[in-house]
Amino acid sequence: GAGVSQSPSNKVTEKGKDVELRCDPISGHTALYWYRQSLGQGLEFLIYFQGNSAPDKSGLPSDRFSAERTGGSVSTLTIQRTQQEDSAVYLCASSLVGVPNTEAFFGQGTRLTVV
Amino acid sequence: AQSVTQLGSHVSVSEGALVLLRCNYSSSVPPYLFWYVQYPNQGLQLLLKYTSAATLVKGINGFEAEFKKSETSFHLTKPSAHMSDAAEYFCAVSINTDKLIFGTGTRLQVFP
Repeated sequence: GAGVSQSPSNKVTEKGKDVELRCDPISGHTALYWYRQSLGQGLEFLIYFQGNSAPDKSGLPSDRFSAERTGGSVSTLTIQRTQQEDSAVYLCASSLVGVPNTEAFFGQGTRLTVV
Repeated sequence: AQSVTQLGSHVSVSEGALVLLRCNYSSSVPPYLFWYVQYPNQGLQLLLKYTSAATLVKGINGFEAEFKKSETSFHLTKPSAHMSDAAEYFCAVSINTDKLIFGTGTRLQVFP
C-alpha cells in the first residue's frame, strides 16, 4: 500500500472486554513498531518487530498487552480485559530495515476509548 | 537510559516570528536525533534527522535543527512562522537501539 494502514480508526469498548488493533505496514518493510500516545504523555514505545520476531517488547505495560506479526507483514496488538487507563491513540510505524538507518513511517492511529 | 526532554508543552508565536522548539537529550554515546511533526488528525511525519554527518540539519518546510554536543541539545528553529506550521512537534532519540524514544511533544500555535 501507499502508507501504513491501521484499523479500526476508532474503537469504543467496555471495560473488561478484549480488543484487537491491526496494522498493515508498507510493503517490504521488515521493521514494525507500536506506540501509545496519551494526552500529555508523548509517544510511549510498546514493542518492536523485525520480521516476525519481537526483539524488544520492553514497553508493553502489562501482561494484558500482547502483539504478534505474521508473514513479516500484518501485526495485531491485543489488549485483554481493557481498563480505562488503556484509553489512548495506538500508533503503528514501519521502516524498511529499522531506525535509525531508515525512516519510520507512521499510520494515523487507532483511537481507543474504554468506557 | 536514553531520553529526550522537550521544554515547553505549548509555544505560541505570531505569524512571521521566529520559531524555537527546545529539545535536550540524555546519552553517554553519540545519539541519532529526530524531529517529527503531527498535524491535526494526521500521522507523524519526519521533519529532519541528525546522524552525525553535519551538526546543522535542514529539514522540510523551512525547519532546521542544530546538534550541540556541549549543551546536549537539538533545538528546532524556523526563521519565519507560517499559519500552516501549527501542529505538535516531537523530538526523538535513537541510541544503539532500533527504536525511537520520543519526548512529550510541544504544541505550536501561530497567531495572525
